[in-house]
Amino acid sequence: AQKITQTQPGMFVQEKEAVTLDCTYDTSDPSYGLFWYKQPSSGEMIFLIYQGSYDQQNATEGRYSLNFQKARKSANLVISASQLGDSAMYFCAMREGLVARQLTFGSGTQLTVLP
Amino acid sequence: GAVVSQHPSWVICKSGTSVKIECRSLDFQATTMFWYRQFPKQSLMLMATSNEGSKATYEQGVEKDKFLINHASLTLSTLTVTSAHPEDSSFYICSAPEVRDRGFTLHFGNGTRLTVT
Repeated sequence: AQKITQTQPGMFVQEKEAVTLDCTYDTSDPSYGLFWYKQPSSGEMIFLIYQGSYDQQNATEGRYSLNFQKARKSANLVISASQLGDSAMYFCAMREGLVARQLTFGSGTQLTVLP
Repeated sequence: GAVVSQHPSWVICKSGTSVKIECRSLDFQATTMFWYRQFPKQSLMLMATSNEGSKATYEQGVEKDKFLINHASLTLSTLTVTSAHPEDSSFYICSAPEVRDRGFTLHFGNGTRLTVT
C-alpha cells in the first residue's frame, strides 16, 4: 500500500486565487510528521510546512497552511493568493516514528499558476 | 543558516565510467545522510542511508556494489555510481538531518543531474 498518496498529477490555478493540493497518508505509527516540499524545475527541494501528529493546531507558514484531518489521514496543502512563482512540483512526505529521519514521498502534484 | 552542499550539480559521463557525487554539511555535523534518486516526472525514492563510521544501509532493490556510499567524516558523504549505464541517468539528491532541541530539521542538497551517454 502507498504510504503517501497524491491523487492530483497536475493542477491549474488562476493567479491570486487559492488552491488546495491533496495528500493522504497511511501509517500505523502514532508518532509521525508530515511535510510539504516545493520543487521548481531547477530541482532543489524547498521546505514549505510541517505538521506533527500530536500537533493540536493546523500548521501555517505565510501563504501556506496545512489542513490536517487526522481521522481521515489527510494533510492537504492550501496555498492562498497564488503567485506565478508558485508554479512547481509539490511533494507531500512523511516521517514515521520518533527516531526515523528519512522521508517517504508522494508522487507529487505539478501546479501551474495562470496569469 | 545551515545548508547541505552537493557537487557536482550536473554531470555527463560515458557508459562504463564511474561518477562520484559529494554531499557536505555546512555549519552542522551530519552523522546520517540520505541519498534519494528521482527519475523524470517521478517522486524521490530513498536509495540508501549513510552513517558516519559504519556501513551504509541500502533500500531493497538498490545494488550496493553499484552505488558505493562512503560517509568519510561528520560532514561529508559521497555516492559513487560505478560502471554507469544509461539507465542510471537520473537526479540524485542527498539530505541530512540537523538535530535541534525539539526535533530535527532536514536539509537537502540541490541535487545532481546525471546523464550517462
